[in-house]
Amino acid sequence: NAGVTQTPKFQVLKTGQSMTLQCAQDMNHEYMSWYRQDPGMGLRLIHYSVGAGITDQGEVPNGYNVSRSTTEDFPLRLLSAAPSQTSVYFCASSRRQTQGQETQYFGPGTRLLVL
Amino acid sequence: QKEVEQDPGPLSVPEGAIVSLNCTYSNSAFQYFMWYRQYSRKGPELLMYTYSSGNKEDGRFTAQVDKSSKYISLFIRDSQPSDSATYLCAMGRLTQGAQKLVFGQGTRLTINP
Repeated sequence: NAGVTQTPKFQVLKTGQSMTLQCAQDMNHEYMSWYRQDPGMGLRLIHYSVGAGITDQGEVPNGYNVSRSTTEDFPLRLLSAAPSQTSVYFCASSRRQTQGQETQYFGPGTRLLVL
Repeated sequence: QKEVEQDPGPLSVPEGAIVSLNCTYSNSAFQYFMWYRQYSRKGPELLMYTYSSGNKEDGRFTAQVDKSSKYISLFIRDSQPSDSATYLCAMGRLTQGAQKLVFGQGTRLTINP
């Protein structure tokens, strides 16, 4: 198993550009989520999905869109990049939580710089 | 006030020392308490998980939860240079099949040989 994969590893954008961060998992996990990690802030939840066709907002959803058309993929779209979106983005996945005991597996991250 | 507070450090100790990492939280709705380890330029990986007050031991690692004080700790015994990483506490609550995590800021730990 490749686990959770993310592409690209690093990206530089200009303010106003759009892009999609890719996330895929091969563990047949129902739950997938996106976090951003900023210095001094820990990881913050952006959006999450409990299955194909179902998404919901996390703590910091503004400026980001998601969709979940398949179990395997959960792309994160930046509609109009802003310098405040400079961050490291992590995708995570797990089995559907029934008692909260399922481990979330994180991808290697995408470093995004918005100029 | 942040829901989860963690001293960011950095913390530097000699090899073999006992390390204590701590987090406090304010939301009584948190049901699960976790410690993640994150090596430089890598994703976090789950180290310890617990859902009740008390201690949980796994090798050189002990996780402690005190729900009445809203305080969790991670102890590392016989610390090794390979333990050098950033340690993140995380609190979770279950919502319709989703485990929504709130992370602390992370503590950067260095074990000196």
